[in-house]
Amino acid sequence: DAGITQSPRYKITETGRQVTLMCHQTWSHSYMFWYRQDLGHGLRLIYYSAAADITDKGEVSDGYVVSRSKTENFPLTLESATRSQTSVYFCASIGGQVEAFFGQGTRLTVV
Amino acid sequence: SQQGEEDPQALSIQEGENATMNCSYKTSINNLQWYRQNSGRGLVHLILIRSNEREKHSGRLRVTLDTSKKSSSLLITASRAADTASYFCATDGTSGSRLTFGEGTQLTVNP
Repeated sequence: DAGITQSPRYKITETGRQVTLMCHQTWSHSYMFWYRQDLGHGLRLIYYSAAADITDKGEVSDGYVVSRSKTENFPLTLESATRSQTSVYFCASIGGQVEAFFGQGTRLTVV
Repeated sequence: SQQGEEDPQALSIQEGENATMNCSYKTSINNLQWYRQNSGRGLVHLILIRSNEREKHSGRLRVTLDTSKKSSSLLITASRAADTASYFCATDGTSGSRLTFGEGTQLTVNP
């Protein structure tokens, strides 16, 4: 199916474990983003990528790592999960227009 | 810190009334966008206004932009219960497509 998909939709992990959230888009959009949304708040930018092999930090990048070896995939890794990283994570992409398309989100709980 | 800040944080109205939400931002922008988020879902693009535009309409939506005051407003006319959602403004700055979001306005439309 065309669009942007995130996996898993829900994840529970333990403190200290490494976790990877996946994001895949089918449009070949250049820009991709990872945001986190804490309960009752807006979105904060974690990392973004302008193209394959080009990534840059957002405002809350500590503790996260990204890669973009292929245009369509933009995985986000929590190197050593902490409780403060419990959140809903959204992936988004932008193509030729400025409009961003969002995935359905991954609800991550760190216990 | 967030680039955009919405006001009010929460708004409750009756079906058929108009809803107005405001957004203020800090730095110069190319575009300002409004997104909608239903509970538990990803964000969906509503409307974009460019920095050289002052007003834009789309269906029941009216957006204004005042770059001298660094502010925008979103008006939803003749609201419906289905308009109940959170609404976010997003700005991209003048340096590229890095989208930053405000904290959002939670709109409740009572039937």
